[in-house]
Amino acid sequence: ETGVTQTPRHLVMGMTNKKSLKCEQHLGHNAMYWYKQSAKKPLELMFVYSLEERVENNSVPSRFSPECPNSSHLFLHLHTLQPEDSALYLCASSHPGIGSYGYTFGSGTRLTVV
Amino acid sequence: DQQVKQNSPSLSVQEGRISILNCDYTNSMFDYFLWYKKYPAEGPTFLISISSIKDKNEDGRFTVFLNKSAKHLSLHIVPSQPGDSAVYFCAATPGGSQGNLIFGKGTKLSVKP
Repeated sequence: ETGVTQTPRHLVMGMTNKKSLKCEQHLGHNAMYWYKQSAKKPLELMFVYSLEERVENNSVPSRFSPECPNSSHLFLHLHTLQPEDSALYLCASSHPGIGSYGYTFGSGTRLTVV
Repeated sequence: DQQVKQNSPSLSVQEGRISILNCDYTNSMFDYFLWYKKYPAEGPTFLISISSIKDKNEDGRFTVFLNKSAKHLSLHIVPSQPGDSAVYFCAATPGGSQGNLIFGKGTKLSVKP
């Protein structure tokens, strides 16, 4: 257990469904991130929150909607996804900037869109 | 365009021998580099890092070498152990130890007993 918890671990959803991914950390970090890992591609940064404010949105389609209600929790709301959105979604947290140890990652949510 | 490249998708090594994983980068603003290790069904975990003011950093069996002129870094694992079998991601960031991490595609290392 890394201190960053993601739920659910696996999710299968239809293209018309609405679902949410949850990430929680109690490491005292105040920056949180969503990454997407697709097969044979680099980890792609999706969103960055620092002190609960979104500071980066890497041209992510609007069918992905992040929410950071406090520095310990991060959500990714999903609606009308496409099959190509199937991937491993990783949450990470850090102190502002990355420090010497980079980010602490959760175990990810394996998403399958059918 | 990929800024961090790991051109070998996989590497197979015999137990006890040296594993060398390579990473190239294109952005000359990158000045802090990290290696992460990922087992199946787990998130990446930090392994070792290096600042651009150094050309080598060692931690036990793991050593990272940085060649700034070639924009190349490598991770050496010696001796390799079966438990080292995992996917290794190279990551880089500009602006000292601040900034977001940019990752490579990863190299899957298999260490055979």
